[in-house]
Amino acid sequence: DAKTTQPNSMESNEEEPVHLPCNHSTISGTDYIHWYRQLPSQGPEYVIHGLTSNVNNRMASLAIAEDRKSSTLILHRATLRDAAVYYCILRDVDDYKLSFGAGTTVTVRA
Amino acid sequence: EAGVAQSPRYKIIEKRQSVAFWCNPISGHATLYWYQQILGQGPKLLIQFQNNGVVDDSQLPKDRFSAERLKGVDSTLKIQPAKLEDSAVYLCASSLVAGGRTDTQYFGPGTRLTVL
Repeated sequence: DAKTTQPNSMESNEEEPVHLPCNHSTISGTDYIHWYRQLPSQGPEYVIHGLTSNVNNRMASLAIAEDRKSSTLILHRATLRDAAVYYCILRDVDDYKLSFGAGTTVTVRA
Repeated sequence: EAGVAQSPRYKIIEKRQSVAFWCNPISGHATLYWYQQILGQGPKLLIQFQNNGVVDDSQLPKDRFSAERLKGVDSTLKIQPAKLEDSAVYLCASSLVAGGRTDTQYFGPGTRLTVL
């Protein structure tokens, strides 16, 4: 499995943006970049995914570096409900499973 | 739309006892996954079903763990006998299709197992 590297933790203030980095220097040309998050005492939930172009949805934005060796998940205005562990995962065409690392624990201060 | 249902939410047993977990996936989802999440770690896949057939059980400790998916819908995961290191959250997930680069997995709330 292609590997990703994320910081262990990040802190943010409520209503401020949060930028979560993910390094994936060994990414292959066919790997998609997926983000999931896990709120306390819940199962993981899908956030966003992309291949080469930046992506936006109602939850977040995904900015992908031109060389695809890194990406950044952007939460535009953090709320207390965004406090969670965020996982950056690479998936190839045959990757049915999600290979989770330790993720980044995001703390949001009121 | 109803999400993935799991029961029980919590279970405490003593080592060497047996335990079973139940999962009901989202209606119409062909693929079902069981993950194990040890405290402080990300989830790890135990087994994947496509309809009622096993696709991957390479990480399932088959000497003590078993799983089945009858009629391609509900699934049960069993541990017999349990060991202390089985203490974890057991997550069930489902997806519409059989994995792939853009397939989204939907997770249930998990069952927290404590083995004493």
